[in-house]
This record gives sequence, structure tokens and C-alpha cells, in this order.
Amino acid sequence: KQEVTQIPAALSVPEGENLVLNCSFTDSAIYNLQWFRQDPGKGLTSLLLIQSSQREQTSGRLNASLDKSSGRSTLYIAASQPGDSATYLCAVTPKSYQKVTFGTGTKLQVIP
Amino acid sequence: GAVVSQHPSRVICKSGTSVKIECRSLDFQATTMFWYRQFPKKSLMLMATSNEGSKATYEQGVEKDKFLINHASLTLSTLTVTSAHPEDSSFYICSALYDPNEQFFGPGTRLTVL
Repeated sequence: KQEVTQIPAALSVPEGENLVLNCSFTDSAIYNLQWFRQDPGKGLTSLLLIQSSQREQTSGRLNASLDKSSGRSTLYIAASQPGDSATYLCAVTPKSYQKVTFGTGTKLQVIP
Repeated sequence: GAVVSQHPSRVICKSGTSVKIECRSLDFQATTMFWYRQFPKKSLMLMATSNEGSKATYEQGVEKDKFLINHASLTLSTLTVTSAHPEDSSFYICSALYDPNEQFFGPGTRLTVL
């Protein structure tokens, strides 16, 4: 059974700082890994999707990496802004079946 | 990328009433859709797999008579929370399967039962 863990559960940083969010998974037989953002009381916004054959994906100030062999993914946020404050979720889609497993999320607060 | 919508985005209802949530794939056909629920301070958990033209497959512990799922067409799945109670208050998200194994997620529906 796939288990997805995100550490830390909460993170508070001053504006402008670069930061890294971590996601680890137990079963490396994955189809893809996706990072989402969830604002309080709102839905999911897809940020980046990394296919199993890829090592990283970039979008603006965001960079996500994937290391299947070690069961880890990181989301790097450069020059953080208060608007980046949200909960970030990673989700793993396995190869063998279609049930996506979500991590528990990291709640990020960027202080002005 | 493919787009999945949900309606409504937010609903408040009285205890004992039923609430229907729609999930639509806007620009592709999806024979399979999924429904997830998010408990407070917990991750999203799969509730059921919705298959067009057949009965949904429910995860262990999910009451099928409580959470009715109907996948009436290749672009629409509905989740009906019957006889809602305050403990049903939650955030519900659907996803649609885009071949072969990629899921696109809806924005979610926040249900509050008074």
C-alpha cells in the first residue's frame, strides 16, 4: 500500500526566502507525481506534474524534482511571496492501478 | 490541459436533506471518475470509483447508501449525500481519468451541514 508523507507539516518563512517542501513515497512504481496548492476553504490548484520518466518540472518560481529510486520529490519555491501562503499537497499515481494517494500536506506561511 | 468542473463550489444545507454534487469533464470523455473526501487537517481520501454505465466501486468504510454515485454519461458523474448530517460536512473533490492513467481534478465542493 502506497504511503505518502510530507515534511514539515507546517512552515513559516520571511518573504523573499527560497524554500523546499518535501514529499516521500513508499512504492517507487509510480506513473506520475503531482504537486497541488490548496488555499483555505478553496479547492485544489494543480502546480506541477512530473511523469515517472522525468526528473524535474519547472513553472515560474516553482521547480519540482523527482527521484523515484529514493521515493522522494521536492518542490522548490524561489523568492517566496505572501501570496504563496497555502497548503501544498503532493499526490502519487501508481502504475499498477488508478488510485491516487495524497500526502498530508505542508502548510506554508510567508510572512511579509 | 484537460478541465474538470464541479458544481456547486460551496453548499450549505440543513441536517436531513440530500445534496447533489456534479463533476463534469469539459473537454474530454471519461469512462472513469473518482470521488475524494478531505477530513479536517487530514489528506484527501478516495471514497469511490465511478464507472460510466455501471455501479460505483466504494472504498472500505464508505457507506454506499449514504453517498450515492451515478455516472450517467461520459462527461458527468454525480455524488449525492443523502440525509446529510453535520459529520458529513467536508470538502469533496472529483477527478476524471484521462487515458491511460492521468487524472484531472475538479476544484472541489465544500459542504456544510447545519
